[in-house]
Amino acid sequence: DAGITQSPRHKVTETGTPVTLRCHQTENHRYMYWYRQDPGHGLRLIHYSYGVKDTDKGEVSDGYSVSRSKTEDFLLTLESATSSQTSVYFCAISGGDSYNEQFFGPGTRLTVL
Amino acid sequence: AQKVTQVQTEISVVEKEDVTLDCVYETRDTTYYLFWYKQPPSGELVFLIRRNSFDEQNEISGRYSWNFQKSTSSFNFTITASQVVDSAVYFCALNQSNYQLIWGAGTKLIIKP
Repeated sequence: DAGITQSPRHKVTETGTPVTLRCHQTENHRYMYWYRQDPGHGLRLIHYSYGVKDTDKGEVSDGYSVSRSKTEDFLLTLESATSSQTSVYFCAISGGDSYNEQFFGPGTRLTVL
Repeated sequence: AQKVTQVQTEISVVEKEDVTLDCVYETRDTTYYLFWYKQPPSGELVFLIRRNSFDEQNEISGRYSWNFQKSTSSFNFTITASQVVDSAVYFCALNQSNYQLIWGAGTKLIIKP
């Protein structure tokens, strides 16, 4: 299994609070991704990174920011959490070129009250 | 526009039956990759297969097989002699040149003992 961890695994927070989710990999892969998974929507890309300090927006980036200061870490921040951001968040990594398969972390279940 | 459609939302079969999950995609590119992932009830996402657009050979891995047909833009997944452990949500995805995977909405497969 690819070495990907996410922290925290579960979080309950209140509307308006900032939240940071961490993805850590031990594979030295170049590409990292953040997705959210909601019933009826499948997986939707939030942001992705193609190298240290190189990031770009995905399909549903509003309300989210990311940072990647080291190859192994990719942080997702909800600046001011809203109830619509209640979801399961998955981090993924891929190596080689951008066509390669993505390997996923275990997910973080976030509840915003 | 790129799009992935998983024809069946949910399939229920009795153990040992064969079952096929249909995936139809839309793309204007000549170079692309197709993927299947499995998400068991425990929630993790497991990579199953990657296929590029230039390789239409069918793939077999144990009880799993995949049929890729460019003429019908389909990449179907068959499980032979299904088992209860095959119960999961299965996702089909399309990757082109911009790092992003286009995901289908998933097919929930229920295998009854």
